[in-house]
Amino acid sequence: KAGVTQTPRYLIKTRGQQVTLSCSPISGHRSVSWYQQTPGQGLQFLFEYFSETQRNKGNFPGRFSGRQFSNSRSEMNVSTLELGDSALYLCASTTYSGVYGYTFGSGTRLTVV
Amino acid sequence: AQTVTQSQPEMSVQEAETVTLSCTYDTSESDYYLFWYKQPPSRQMILVIRQEAYKQQNATENRFSVNFQKAAKSFSLKISDSQLGDAAMYFCAYRSNTQGGSEKLVFGKGTKLTVNP
Repeated sequence: KAGVTQTPRYLIKTRGQQVTLSCSPISGHRSVSWYQQTPGQGLQFLFEYFSETQRNKGNFPGRFSGRQFSNSRSEMNVSTLELGDSALYLCASTTYSGVYGYTFGSGTRLTVV
Repeated sequence: AQTVTQSQPEMSVQEAETVTLSCTYDTSESDYYLFWYKQPPSRQMILVIRQEAYKQQNATENRFSVNFQKAAKSFSLKISDSQLGDAAMYFCAYRSNTQGGSEKLVFGKGTKLTVNP
């Protein structure tokens, strides 16, 4: 079966702009989580959605938001981009909870210039 | 809050040899899960092995095994018969299973494993 698909794979944006990243989970997976990966901070949890509801949220400013659609696809939005938002954004999906592990996508590499 | 520490930023091993990657974690919870993920240059995080905290038996997946010491809060990964394809970043991760606990993964900073032919 198809894996977790993230689009686009690469993105270059200018400071102050906004960006939307997309994640299509594995068929049947209803939970989608987002992580930010940077060399300095490592992997940090952004938020998790389950059945179109945000179930958990990390410690990120309100500029970072997300949503989940009825087909479980999720989008993440970052407004008023800052240079420090440059990172690899990873999406992970699982069925209900992650006790058996999560399946990750290959990420979107966002560069803010 | 839970923390995960990987004290070895880089490790190297000869092909066919055995290597052990270290991970320690800090938590006050008794019910949780631990994972090792592998991230090759393709960037996709791949689940290597999973351990349930309430199980004393160490998890094993083919050439990968863990040494889980709950009292010491230690969770090391042993890779036997290392192969060139094992070269990657390895991340140790913690997930709470406590009522009211966060269901997010908490990751260590990672260990870069190089496999020499």
